[in-house]
Amino acid sequence: DIQMTQTPSSMPASLGERVTISCRASQGISNYLNWYQQKPDGTIKPLIYYTSNLQSGVPSRFSGSGSGTDYSLTISSLEPEDFAMYYCQQYDSSPDTFGAGTKLELK
Amino acid sequence: QVQLQQSGAELAKPGSSVKISCKASGYTFTSYYISWIKQTTGQGLEYIGYINTGSGGTNYNEKFKGKATLTVDKSSSTAFMQLSSLTPDDSAVYYCARDYSGPGEWYYFDYWGQGVMVTVSS
Repeated sequence: DIQMTQTPSSMPASLGERVTISCRASQGISNYLNWYQQKPDGTIKPLIYYTSNLQSGVPSRFSGSGSGTDYSLTISSLEPEDFAMYYCQQYDSSPDTFGAGTKLELK
Repeated sequence: QVQLQQSGAELAKPGSSVKISCKASGYTFTSYYISWIKQTTGQGLEYIGYINTGSGGTNYNEKFKGKATLTVDKSSSTAFMQLSSLTPDDSAVYYCARDYSGPGEWYYFDYWGQGVMVTVSS
C-alpha cells in the first residue's frame, strides 16, 4: 500500500495567518490526491480533488498543489471555522490510503 | 439535498457481528458507488471498500476481506456493512461516503455520513 506521510501532525496558528499542510507519498501518485476537512463533531467534507481542484462551495482561500510524491494544501488567511482536522487521500493505487491528519489549532 | 444518514452507535461483544446502515437521499441512489471508511485514533482513516449500488458488485481492501461485507437494498436506497467476528480492534467510527467520479481523473468522496461508533467490549 502507498504510505502517505502528512506534516505537521498539529499546527498552532492565528486568525488571518497563511498555513500550508504537506503530504508526501511513498511513491509517485500522478496527482491523484484529495484533501478533506473534519470538524470536531466528526463531519467530513471534501476541499480539494485531483490535487488542485476546489470543491464546489469551498472558499477560495483553500488551494492545493503538488506533483509526483509531494502535495500541499494551503489556506491563505485562516478564518475561525478553519480550525479542524485535515486529511489527504491518494487514489493512484488500490487501496486508497489517507494521511494521518493535521490538527489545525488556534494559537 | 444529498444526505447519507447512518444508523446509531453499536455496542457489541467480541465474536459477534454488527450490521450498520447508510440511507441515501436527495439523489439517484444507483448512480453512485458507496464506499466505507474506518476511523480510529491509532490508525487514522482506513479504506474498507466500495459497493456498486446498481449491480451490488463489491471491491474490498485486502485488509478487510473476511471482516466486512457490503450489501445494498436499492428499494430503500440503503447501503449496509456487516462486520463479523468482532474484536476490540474493530472498535472505531465507521463512515459511509458517496463516490464521485468526474471527467478524466477525478475521484473523491463528495458526501459523507455522520459516522457510526462501534464499540467492541465484553
